[in-house]
Amino acid sequence: EAQVTQNPRYLITVTGKKLTVTCSQNMNHEYMSWYRQDPGLGLRQIYYSMNVEVTDKGDVPEGYKVSRKEKRNFPLILESPSPNQTSLYFCASCSGGGANTGELFFGEGSRLTVL
Amino acid sequence: AQTVTQSQPEMSVQEAETVTLSCTYDTSENNYYLFWYKQPPSRQMILVIRQEAYKQQNATENRFSVNFQKAAKSFSLKISDSQLGDTAMYFCAFRRRNAGNMLTFGGGTRLMVKP
Repeated sequence: EAQVTQNPRYLITVTGKKLTVTCSQNMNHEYMSWYRQDPGLGLRQIYYSMNVEVTDKGDVPEGYKVSRKEKRNFPLILESPSPNQTSLYFCASCSGGGANTGELFFGEGSRLTVL
Repeated sequence: AQTVTQSQPEMSVQEAETVTLSCTYDTSENNYYLFWYKQPPSRQMILVIRQEAYKQQNATENRFSVNFQKAAKSFSLKISDSQLGDTAMYFCAFRRRNAGNMLTFGGGTRLMVKP
């Protein structure tokens, strides 16, 4: 089954404690990205990657890091989480090049609370 | 930079009735894609419909159709014969033609279908 898998789905942590949200896709997609969803603001892109070892900032990258060492994985790292990073996070992937129809395939979301 | 605006934070409709969700966007681009995504209570993001800006014909997917007005930069979603399963958050999104996985989302409209 084609899917994007995120872990953990739910996490409560404290300010300053480093955490990583993993994302893996099994569709051999070139493009992967991270979004955060906040009430009234919709989804905003944090970081994106267009291929292995190629990453770039989205609209709200402050406080986050990413890496793309393998095509299927795109972890999101919060080095020192703060309460304003409490949010619902989505990983998404899509095909690159001519196969790119613009449709994103989303993970099931990770609800993060930073106390 | 592109912006997407959904002016209706919440809407409700009676089962079997028709409802229209509004979306406007601002861009200087001529080639782009527009999307409507549905997010039910399960949080999963599901693509409802896609429109390519160079196509004049409005996209249709079963009970879902759009009214795409390129000059007015308007992209509304019409849901016919509303069903209880249509209850969800709906997000309008914009993507430049060669922008990979970089979507800009609106703030969302919460739709409640009442029995």
